[in-house]
Amino acid sequence: NAGVTQTPKFQVLKTGQSMTLQCAQDMNHNSMYWYRQDPGMGLRLIYYSASEGTTDKGEVPNGYNVSRLNKREFSLRLESAAPSQTSVYFCASTYSVGPREAFFGQGTRLTVV
Amino acid sequence: TQLLEQSPQFLSIQEGENLTVYCNSSSVFSSLQWYRQEPGEGPVLLVTVVTGGEVKKLKRLTFQFGDARKDSSLHITAAQPGDTGLYLCAGSYSGGGADGLTFGKGTHLIIQP
Repeated sequence: NAGVTQTPKFQVLKTGQSMTLQCAQDMNHNSMYWYRQDPGMGLRLIYYSASEGTTDKGEVPNGYNVSRLNKREFSLRLESAAPSQTSVYFCASTYSVGPREAFFGQGTRLTVV
Repeated sequence: TQLLEQSPQFLSIQEGENLTVYCNSSSVFSSLQWYRQEPGEGPVLLVTVVTGGEVKKLKRLTFQFGDARKDSSLHITAAQPGDTGLYLCAGSYSGGGADGLTFGKGTHLIIQP
């Protein structure tokens, strides 16, 4: 099983450019999440989708938008990239009930210059 | 947002030594997970504990959930270089949204040969 697949793995953007990070899971999970991970800050939740058709803001949503395309796919869009968005981004998925055991993608290392 | 405090933040020890990592909160969790993250990869689930006082063992790793379900510990016996990584704890509560999945900032563990 592929689990959670994220693309791309690496990306360099210029300030003001836009891009979309793609995420797909094949575990039939209802809930999907986007996190960013920065040194000393841990994993911070950007947006989440509790189920298909719903999305909600997390701790650090400014500068990002998301789309829950279907049950499998959850994309993260940066409309106008800023250097402060340089980070490693992780997509994760869980069941919406029970212990919320999270399965993560391999991450996208994004640099904004 | 419910906080999970992990300690220590950094730990560097010699191969063969024992160590304990702590995860503490003022909140009660319905379950708690431990993850391990290697450089360039996403976090990978190690274990889930659900019942207060529960102890689970994974080879040389012992995980304990506090009686009040507010804290947890990870003990590694006879640490090996392959144990090197970032260890994250995460708590969840039943019925919560994504806010119900809270990550600690992690413990960076280095095992020196």
